[in-house]
Amino acid sequence: AQSVTQPDIHITVSEGASLELRCNYSYGATPYLFWYVQSPGQGLQLLLKYFSGDTLVQGIKGFEAEFKRSQSSFNLRKPSVHWSDAAEYFCAVLRNSGGSNYKLTFGKGTLLTVNP
Amino acid sequence: SAVISQKPSRDICQRGTSLTIQCQVDSQVTMMFWYRQQPGQSLTLIATANQGSEATYESGFVIDKFPISRPNLTFSTLTVSNMSPEDSSIYLCSAISGNTGELFFGEGSRLTVL
Repeated sequence: AQSVTQPDIHITVSEGASLELRCNYSYGATPYLFWYVQSPGQGLQLLLKYFSGDTLVQGIKGFEAEFKRSQSSFNLRKPSVHWSDAAEYFCAVLRNSGGSNYKLTFGKGTLLTVNP
Repeated sequence: SAVISQKPSRDICQRGTSLTIQCQVDSQVTMMFWYRQQPGQSLTLIATANQGSEATYESGFVIDKFPISRPNLTFSTLTVSNMSPEDSSIYLCSAISGNTGELFFGEGSRLTVL
């Protein structure tokens, strides 16, 4: 079965510290991978995506993620966290559901708290 | 990038009533989806909205409870029927851009059922 796992439900970091949010996927074919952020009371915003090519992808707001096929992982990183990064982060996999149809499956999310 | 507008953005409804949520995209899209995000939870796919035909529902979701229409490429509706407090959620519309292949989300419709 295809699935997306975010092992960390809640992470707390200090402002200025580095951040890594973990994401593992289970999918038989080449995945299309995404990270979304959802601030309190807000909609979803795409941070970055991986379709193919360079396995280190750069996103908005200083985020990056690295696709590691051998580990079935797509971890999100940021070298220095800002207080405004406090939000819920979702990893997602776009998978082919037959023919030209695709479905996006989300992980359960990781809540990031940033301490001053 | 595509802009997705949903309305209502929020509503408070009585048990047993039904509410229809509208989703309008400002550009051509290929696929449209409806998701539910229950309080403190992740997003769960309800169904794929198919143009001119019945939606494709995920396990656990049925047409009688969540009828969906998609009369054209850029518009879809989701109805939450015979609501109960368990239906209190954010309902999100999403679409894949026909130009870029990217997936976009509306800001969601926050539904509270009393």
